[in-house]
Amino acid sequence: AQKITQTQPGMFVQEKEAVTLDCTYDTSDPSYGLFWYKQPSSGEMIFLIYQGSYDQQNATEGRYSLNFQKARKSANLVISASQLGDSAMYFCAMREGGGSYIPTFGRGTSLIVHP
Amino acid sequence: DGGITQSPKYLFRKEGQNVTLSCEQNLNHDAMYWYRQDPGQGLRLIYYSQIVNDFQKGDIAEGYSVSREKKESFPLTVTSAQKNPTAFYLCASSLTGYGYTFGSGTRLTVV
Repeated sequence: AQKITQTQPGMFVQEKEAVTLDCTYDTSDPSYGLFWYKQPSSGEMIFLIYQGSYDQQNATEGRYSLNFQKARKSANLVISASQLGDSAMYFCAMREGGGSYIPTFGRGTSLIVHP
Repeated sequence: DGGITQSPKYLFRKEGQNVTLSCEQNLNHDAMYWYRQDPGQGLRLIYYSQIVNDFQKGDIAEGYSVSREKKESFPLTVTSAQKNPTAFYLCASSLTGYGYTFGSGTRLTVV
C-alpha cells in the first residue's frame, strides 16, 4: 500500500494567487515527520517545510504553509501569492520513527504558474 | 559550504557495462540514501546506510550495489544485471531524520 498519496498529477495557478497541493499519508507509527520538497527542472530537491506528528501548530515558512490534519492523515501544502518561479514538481514525503528514518516519497504534483 | 556532491552530472552506459555514481558529503551526516527517479514517478529507495560499513537494501536494490567505507562517501554501482538503468539518480543524507539534504543528481542513460 502507498504510504504517501498525491492525487493531483498536475495543477495550474494564476500568478499571485494561492494554491493547495494535496498529500495524504498512511502510518500506524505515532511518531513521524512530514516534508515537502520542490524539484525544479534542474533536478535538485529543495526542502520547503517540515511538520512533526506531535507539533500542535501548522508549520509555516515564508509563503509556504502546511495544513496538517492529523485525524484525516492529511498534510497539504499551501503556497500563497504564487510566483512564476514556483513552477516545478512538488513532492510530499514522510519519515516514520523507529530509528531507521527512511523518507518515503509520493509521486509528486507538477505545478505550473501562469502569468 | 557544506553539502552533497554527486558526480558525474551526466553518465552514459553501454550494454553490459558496470558504472559507478559518486556521492560525497561534508555535512558529517551519519545516514545516506540512494534514490532512483523515473519520469512521472516519485523517488524510489535503492539502498541506504546509517553507519560506516553497514548498508541495507531498499525497495529496488536488484542490479545495484553500494559501499560505505567512509562516512563521507556512499558510491552506487549500477551493474549489468540492472536491465533498465536509464533514470535520474539522487543521493541524500541526514543527521537526525528531521531534514534531508540532496545532491544535484546524476542522469544515467544507456546507449
